[in-house]
Amino acid sequence: EDKVVQSPLSLVVHEGDTVTLNCSYEVTNFRSLLWYKQEKKAPTFLFMLTSSGIEKKSGRLSSILDKKELSSILNITATQTGDSAIYLCAVASGTYKYIFGTGTRLKVLA
Amino acid sequence: SQTIHQWPATLVQPVGSPLSLECTVEGTSNPNLYWYRQAAGRGLQLLFYSVGIGQISSEVPQNLSASRPQDRQFILSSKKLLLSDSGFYLCAWRGQGGIISGANVLTFGAGSRLTVL
Repeated sequence: EDKVVQSPLSLVVHEGDTVTLNCSYEVTNFRSLLWYKQEKKAPTFLFMLTSSGIEKKSGRLSSILDKKELSSILNITATQTGDSAIYLCAVASGTYKYIFGTGTRLKVLA
Repeated sequence: SQTIHQWPATLVQPVGSPLSLECTVEGTSNPNLYWYRQAAGRGLQLLFYSVGIGQISSEVPQNLSASRPQDRQFILSSKKLLLSDSGFYLCAWRGQGGIISGANVLTFGAGSRLTVL
């Protein structure tokens, strides 16, 4: 059965800290791995990773995929209170399916 | 540009009552459409997906059903709600095309929060 696992489940940090969120997967017919940020309602897209070892970066956020280890990390440097959210990892499997992980709830304290 | 609409945003229903959640996409044709459920701020569980009109794939056996009567319309229904159906329901769409085209990214609606009492 396809599975995506995220860790930690929740995390509380102070502004300015750096955090690393983990995502591991066991999925047949892997196509890509996606990261989303969910604050109140709709998850919003952050990154899509298809190739191992190539870092994607957007401001203070960056992510990288390791296909050998079947995992990905999402880094956030110099965290701000606006980074508080649930971070979701999803794996595209086969032609149509997207399997989501449990999510990591991040709270950044001022 | 493409937009996705989902309604109602919030509803409270008694056990045993019917349910209908609607989702429409504008600005694209022949999208892949998805229904997910999220319980208590956790991960998303795939319920149904559709690759065309009248084509529905079910991922989780339950008392919910989905229909796609038009190209850009996706409906989630139940004849009799259970307490366990409470949750946050998200509709999403994806365009056609390969990974390089960027069509691999799911875009979500604002969600429908269902409370069954």
